[in-house]
This record gives sequence, C-alpha cells and structure tokens, in this order.
Amino acid sequence: QSVLTQPPSASGTPGQRVTISCSGSSSNIGSNTVNWYQQLPGTAPKLLIYSNNQRPSGVPDRFSGSKSGTSASLAISGLQSEDEADYYCAAWDDSLNGRGVFGGGTKLTVL
Amino acid sequence: QLQLQESGPGLVKPSETLSLTCTVSGGSISSSSYYWGWIRQPPGKGLEWIGSIYYSGSTYYNPSLKSRVTISVDTSKNQFSLKLSSVTAADTAVYYCARHIQLEWFDPWGQGTLVTVSS
Repeated sequence: QSVLTQPPSASGTPGQRVTISCSGSSSNIGSNTVNWYQQLPGTAPKLLIYSNNQRPSGVPDRFSGSKSGTSASLAISGLQSEDEADYYCAAWDDSLNGRGVFGGGTKLTVL
Repeated sequence: QLQLQESGPGLVKPSETLSLTCTVSGGSISSSSYYWGWIRQPPGKGLEWIGSIYYSGSTYYNPSLKSRVTISVDTSKNQFSLKLSSVTAADTAVYYCARHIQLEWFDPWGQGTLVTVSS
C-alpha cells in the first residue's frame, strides 16, 4: 500500500482535459513539495512537474500541477494519444527520519 | 547533459547480495544540493524509493529496506552503488538510479536495469 494515494486509472478522449489526484498527509504533501513523473511504456520515468507546479524545460504547458493542503493534482489539457502512460506523484516524507514516497501510479488511457 | 547508467548482474540467487553501480557522466557527483538515489519497480507494479546518498556519504534509507540496504559513493569514479542483502524473489525489479534534487525530485533517471532473483 502506497503512502500517497492515486486513482489506479483515468481516461479521456483526444482534446479533453483530465486530472489525476494525489492524496497524502501532513508529513509529506502537507509539508513538502509534490512532484510528478510520466512513465511511457517500457521506458524509465521522466520528471513532468516539480516543486508542485513547475515544468522542466521541454515539458509542454498542457501539463500543470497544483497543491492544496495534503492533496495535489496533475492536469493534462488538450489530451493527445502520446500522453497515454503511467503517472506517479511523489514527495519527501518527514516521518521515520525522512523517506521518499510515491503514489501507486495512475494509468492514463486515451480513448 | 547529465546522464546516469546502471550496471551490475541481471541475475542474483536467493539469499545472496544484489550489487549495482550507477555511473554519472556529464557532471560531478560532488555537486552541492544534489543527493543521488536508487528507486526500484517490480514487474507490472509501481515505484519504490530505496535510498539516497550525498557525496559526503550521508544517507537516507527506506525504513522497510534499511536492514538490508547499503548505499555508498565513490567520488573519484563519479559513481554510487547499491547493495541489497538476503534477496528473495520479491526483490526482482527494474532498478533505477537518479539524481535526487534537494531530496525532493528525481531528475534525470538512468534507463534502469532488470535484476531477477532466482536460483
């Protein structure tokens, strides 16, 4: 069972806007930044959003992140077929002397 | 451009020690503000953080693996390494190394290496 909670699946049609939620607690999301990773089939995860809402160079502005309290969300607008992937949220957790924690991942299907 | 590459045996016997090395190129492992981490992903499952190390040797480990994990750094070779002892089939996974920025986000990641635990 993952420390951060994500829905196992999400879906949308091309052009739609989809959101993926990530729920945590005061020791992780509530006190540290949330980061999102995209994992295309058969590849290593890639940083998609860092520090709650910052996009690394090269990530389209269709991807956006937000955080409120102990929850966060990733939004993808103008959904494209190449967005079909697994998405993971992650944060640092201050409990147990500090540890990195991930969500269980959300598989996004573009219908 | 910073790149990371995992290396090590792809097959380990149960009860033995898994050993992997991550070689960093295009930048120095001794850069401040950066930790260096290991993450694994069992086949068909999600990501699990194993631990992270600073170039000085300071470490953080996943509490669930702490008794079996050792992460070390060799600044002269620009490498850091993972040892996981007493492995079982449950340790079969793709193992990734990555730069752990401010102990917050991982970027970039290595391509990953599959380690299978089997006799």
